[in-house]
Amino acid sequence: DTGVSQDPRHKITKRGQNVTFRCDPISEHNRLYWYRQTLGQGPEFLTYFQNEAQLEKSRLLSDRFSAERPKGSFSTLEIQRTEQGDSAMYLCASSYRILRDRIRGTQYFGPGTRLLVL
Amino acid sequence: KQEVTQIPAALSVPEGENLVLNCSFTDSAIYNLQWFRQDPGKGLTSLLLIQSSQREQTSGRLNASLDKSSGRSTLYIAASQPGDSATYLCAVRRGDFGNEKLTFGTGTRLTIIP
Repeated sequence: DTGVSQDPRHKITKRGQNVTFRCDPISEHNRLYWYRQTLGQGPEFLTYFQNEAQLEKSRLLSDRFSAERPKGSFSTLEIQRTEQGDSAMYLCASSYRILRDRIRGTQYFGPGTRLLVL
Repeated sequence: KQEVTQIPAALSVPEGENLVLNCSFTDSAIYNLQWFRQDPGKGLTSLLLIQSSQREQTSGRLNASLDKSSGRSTLYIAASQPGDSATYLCAVRRGDFGNEKLTFGTGTRLTIIP
């Protein structure tokens, strides 16, 4: 399967603990995105990378959140000092941007990591 | 600020019927619009992507249309099947260069009754 993968699929943690999620994009994709989805809502954009550069961050991404994409391959999203309001599905997506061409393709999503903060 | 609305929030139809899902957006300066399907507790599956210069896209029993000037898109599903039961989300991407984020609606939860 060459789709977007995320690990873990489920995470239960206690308030105040740190958690880290991993996303592996489709191998040839140079853009990677993180979204958060709460129950009954559509996903909300958090941040995105082109290769290893983080190009945009949402105001939703407080200073307790940090995302990295070392070497432009997989990405990690860390949440420090988790709060109950962080409980959500965290979705990763990837796409391929053709350089010198403004065509931007479909974002392909992974299965998500469901976080529950007790 | 872009806002995306999907009506109805939930829809139940008998198997075999054709149906239309609606999506509206407030800012017509979009680059493209995507329709996704989401099964309970799962990630999103891309169904169709329409560039702003296009009026419709088709894939199998699915047809998506886009009227950018009026801020509307529809997803038409022909000959519905129980396997089509899922939440359908539309998402728009802004037209300015470098703006990558998708703005999603809250979805329409579709149930096909056997």
